[in-house]
This record gives sequence, C-alpha cells and structure tokens, in this order.
Amino acid sequence: AQKVTQAQTEISVVEKEDVTLDCVYETRDTTYYLFWYKQPPSGELVFLIRRNSFDEQNEISGRYSWNFQKSTSSFNFTITASQVVDSAVYFCALRGPRGSSNTGKLIFGQGTTLQVKP
Amino acid sequence: ETGVTQSPTHLIKTRGQQVTLRCSSQSGHNTVSWYQQALGQGPQFIFQYYREEENGRGNFPPRFSGLQFPNYSSELNVNALELDDSALYLCAAGRAGDALHFGNGTRLTVT
Repeated sequence: AQKVTQAQTEISVVEKEDVTLDCVYETRDTTYYLFWYKQPPSGELVFLIRRNSFDEQNEISGRYSWNFQKSTSSFNFTITASQVVDSAVYFCALRGPRGSSNTGKLIFGQGTTLQVKP
Repeated sequence: ETGVTQSPTHLIKTRGQQVTLRCSSQSGHNTVSWYQQALGQGPQFIFQYYREEENGRGNFPPRFSGLQFPNYSSELNVNALELDDSALYLCAAGRAGDALHFGNGTRLTVT
C-alpha cells in the first residue's frame, strides 16, 4: 500500500525564520516519484518540485530546498528566511512508476499549514 | 498560470441531485485527473483519463463518473448527491509521465 504522512499539522514561525516541513512515505514500488505542492487560500495546488526515487541528490531553488533520504523514506522541505507570502498549506505526494496509468494518480499527505507572521 | 481552468467556482446543490463540474486544459495535456478534497484533508484521487479513456480509479462509487474530450476539456459527474460529497473538487492535467498541474477547484456544497 502507498501512504504519505505529514506529521506536522500546523507550524507557525516569524518572518525570516527557517522552517522544515516533514514528509514520510511508504511504498512497495522500486521506482516512484515524490512531489511537493503549495495550496494558498485560493485553492489552487501549485507544483513546487518532482523527485524520482533513483535521484537522491538534494535540490535547492532560491529559498526552497529539499532533502530526499531513501534510507528513511523521507522527503523534507525547507524554506530559508521565510516570508509572509509563504503562508499556505503544503502537501507532499507520492506517485508510482512512470507510465500513463500512474500519471494522474497522486497519493497526498494530510498537509501542513504554515503560518508566517510578520 | 497552470493552464487548467475549472468552472463553476462555487456550487450549491440539494441531496439527491446530480451535478456536472467542468475542466479545461491546454493543448498537450493528454491526462486529466479529478480529486476530492474535504476540509482540512489532502486531496483524494477519484479517477484519471488518458486519451479519453478512464485508466485508473480511486475508492469512489460508480455514481462518480467522468468524461474527457478531444479538445482537452473534461467533466466530473456526480449522481445522487450526498451530504458527504461537499468538498473542493480539483481537476489536474498534464502530459503522461510529467507533473500534474491543478486548477483552482470547484467548491461544492450539498444541503
């Protein structure tokens, strides 16, 4: 069975603090993909990153960075120097191997609500 | 801009009624999926269409059905609405194998 767990329901930080959002996943697939999406109050899910299971290199994009560790089945997301505009719900998601039957089938975690206060 | 547009934005229906939600995406998006997101929860996969054929379904009853059209638009139909169907319905589209792009969603309220 596939499962994604985001244990942190809500996080509140003050602007300019660093914050890490945790994501732990379960899957029996040997190849799979992991995603992070951001959901602002408008409701749209904004794609942030996709990572495949055979690439454990950490990635940095501006203030965002991702730490993928296959040994602990974790794919954590860090925002450096947080800003008020980062306030949103963040979802981690898992997808099976590449193929047309898996493209649209994402397993989402419960989400972490991040509040960044000025 | 994700290139995925949903309509309507909000909808109120009565228990037992039927509803059709619509989604349009850009050229090249040969895969479309629909998700149900209850308040405070993560999105739940309903089903996906690839080249106008359903090729994956989540744990939802047959009264949830869909269509995908050649012009990259799609529909989600829900029959015999129940109170628990109240949720945000998200459409997601993309090319097979790529990341999905989501629309803003339709907020459905069943009274």
